[in-house]
Amino acid sequence: NAGVTQTPKFQVLKTGQSMTLQCAQDMNHNSMYWYRQDPGMGLRLIYYSASEGTTDKGEVPNGYNVSRLNKREFSLRLESAAPSQTSVYFCASIARVGYYGYTFGSGTRLTVV
Amino acid sequence: TQLLEQSPQFLSIQEGENLTVYCNSSSVFSSLQWYRQEPGEGPVLLVTVVTGGEVKKLKRLTFQFGDARKDSSLHITAAQPGDTGLYLCAGANTGTASKLTFGTGTRLQVTL
Repeated sequence: NAGVTQTPKFQVLKTGQSMTLQCAQDMNHNSMYWYRQDPGMGLRLIYYSASEGTTDKGEVPNGYNVSRLNKREFSLRLESAAPSQTSVYFCASIARVGYYGYTFGSGTRLTVV
Repeated sequence: TQLLEQSPQFLSIQEGENLTVYCNSSSVFSSLQWYRQEPGEGPVLLVTVVTGGEVKKLKRLTFQFGDARKDSSLHITAAQPGDTGLYLCAGANTGTASKLTFGTGTRLQVTL
């Protein structure tokens, strides 16, 4: 089925370890996003890519880096994981903001111990 | 930073009851969306409203965009257990380069 695919679904890291969360969409969407979701805080934007070749910081970018590998793929990297980065991470894509909805992946549940 | 506050944060009702969820901001949005999220899944779009005063209906769900485009409401008539989930509003502003601002969410539980 068409949509947004995130890997892995679950991950446990030790403090200081690094990892990359992968995201791919097959809907030919221009814009892609990484959000984190924490209890009581809704979805907060980490980084986004309005179009292939561009990336910009969102509301909570510290401790993260991103790569828009091509139009389909947008990865999120944690260079040195911290317990504060324990969260559920969602990737999303959209054809045109304000007129169509985001399509979200099913999320990656990350625990940093 | 644009903020969207939702109320109530939690709502537990019985099947058949009506409810309203509110989404408020001091900022004007060009459009507003509502999403529903079930456990272990990403949010799924329910509706987009773009005109001040607009009302949209989706079966038992009625969505309204405020006249000033700063607020919105979601009304559910005769709630069913299948309505259980996290409801999120999200505002778009065409001046902020493809970004949506999400509200804090309302967690709804409908019991038999």
